[in-house]
Amino acid sequence: QVQLQESGPRLVKPSESLSLTCTVSGGSVNSGGLYWSWIRQPAGKRPEWIGYVYYTGHTNYSPSLKSRLTMSLDTSKNLFSLSLTSVTAADTAVYFCARLKSGGFDFWGHGIPVTVAS
Amino acid sequence: SYELTQPPSVSVSPGQTARIPCSGDALPRQYSYWYQQKAGQAPVVVITKDVERPSGIPERFSGSSSGTTVTLTISGVQAEDEADYYCQSADDSGTYWVFGGGTKLTVL
Repeated sequence: QVQLQESGPRLVKPSESLSLTCTVSGGSVNSGGLYWSWIRQPAGKRPEWIGYVYYTGHTNYSPSLKSRLTMSLDTSKNLFSLSLTSVTAADTAVYFCARLKSGGFDFWGHGIPVTVAS
Repeated sequence: SYELTQPPSVSVSPGQTARIPCSGDALPRQYSYWYQQKAGQAPVVVITKDVERPSGIPERFSGSSSGTTVTLTISGVQAEDEADYYCQSADDSGTYWVFGGGTKLTVL
């Protein structure tokens, strides 16, 4: 069974960068047909797809966040990462990592709450 | 930007059938997926590719599609089904992924 676990700081100051890591177990990030994704969900709101990274290093980002986003993959450690620059209070949310397969997200991490505040 | 539209809430009594619709212009061309999310937990997929039920999901969950609307049906609703339900699909180009606004299912 594939499991994903998010890690990173839970409090980030405005204008700084948010960096999160997702460690994958029970499966390899170095596999075709699987897209390693980040999704966030502000309190009481719908989930928002942020983007994905493929095992080749190819990335695809949400247009609304593209200018501030970088995603990468580390096949040696079987993990993938997210970096979001110049954060504001609007970036406060629970951040989930998830596996995208055939158009849907079949495995999710538990989520990590991130607050942007000084 | 592309949007999926769901009713904010649906209420049913135990044992009844709940139907949750989701509408979007690209749904005739893109698969839909449904997720159940309970408070403080990650979403769990209950329907894939419009009508398929993943292993471990009870048979009372089913999906259907007609034109620009897809529907999640829960037959014989149980108290444990009370949750938020989200539809999800891709835009027409299949490049970006979106979620519906969510429907809170209340079991009376």
